[in-house]
Amino acid sequence: NAGVTQTPKFQVLKTGQSMTLQCAQDMNHEYMSWYRQDPGMGLRLIHYSVGAGITDQGEVPNGYNVSRSTTEDFPLRLLSAAPSQTSVYFCASSPAGGYGYTFGSGTRLTVV
Amino acid sequence: EDQVTQSPEALRLQEGESSSLNCSYTVSGLRGLFWYRQDPGKGPEFLFTLYSAGEEKEKERLKATLTKKESFLHITAPKPEDSATYLCAVQAVGGSEKLVFGKGTKLTVNP
Repeated sequence: NAGVTQTPKFQVLKTGQSMTLQCAQDMNHEYMSWYRQDPGMGLRLIHYSVGAGITDQGEVPNGYNVSRSTTEDFPLRLLSAAPSQTSVYFCASSPAGGYGYTFGSGTRLTVV
Repeated sequence: EDQVTQSPEALRLQEGESSSLNCSYTVSGLRGLFWYRQDPGKGPEFLFTLYSAGEEKEKERLKATLTKKESFLHITAPKPEDSATYLCAVQAVGGSEKLVFGKGTKLTVNP
């Protein structure tokens, strides 16, 4: 049971490039979320999904897109990377019912 | 707007010196309050969920308590391996399972 798997672990992008951060979970969880973590800011919600085909915006959605075609996968797309998107990104999943989230190990992204 | 405030931002303890971390929250209707531990370079690791005022949960040297306005994470006789950042988060009723996090308390336990 791998839990929540994020790839890549590290990435350096140039300003204006696009990329996709991958997230997969093998626990059959309905809910999935993407957070970014910045020094002094805590974890902030980017986008979330309550099931396959259903997504919604979180606190800081600008510059990011998501889709959820399967229960297992929830990729995060950066459309045109900016230095302000330098951060550590965490994907998380949860079953329904208020049981809390299981987090992946994160992707450290640097935009230069 | 749901908010979580954690204090202190950082805490240094000697091994064996017990203390408490605070998590104050405002939420329209609390569905659950969560405590996580985060080690450097890793994702948050789930510790506890508390659902109603008066509830308490324990795990080894950690004990979490909940009132209507705040939660405490009590650390009894800490060891150096308890050093980590401790995160508090709330989930609101009708909030689609979203978590709102505090900024965390960085705990350092010196031998």
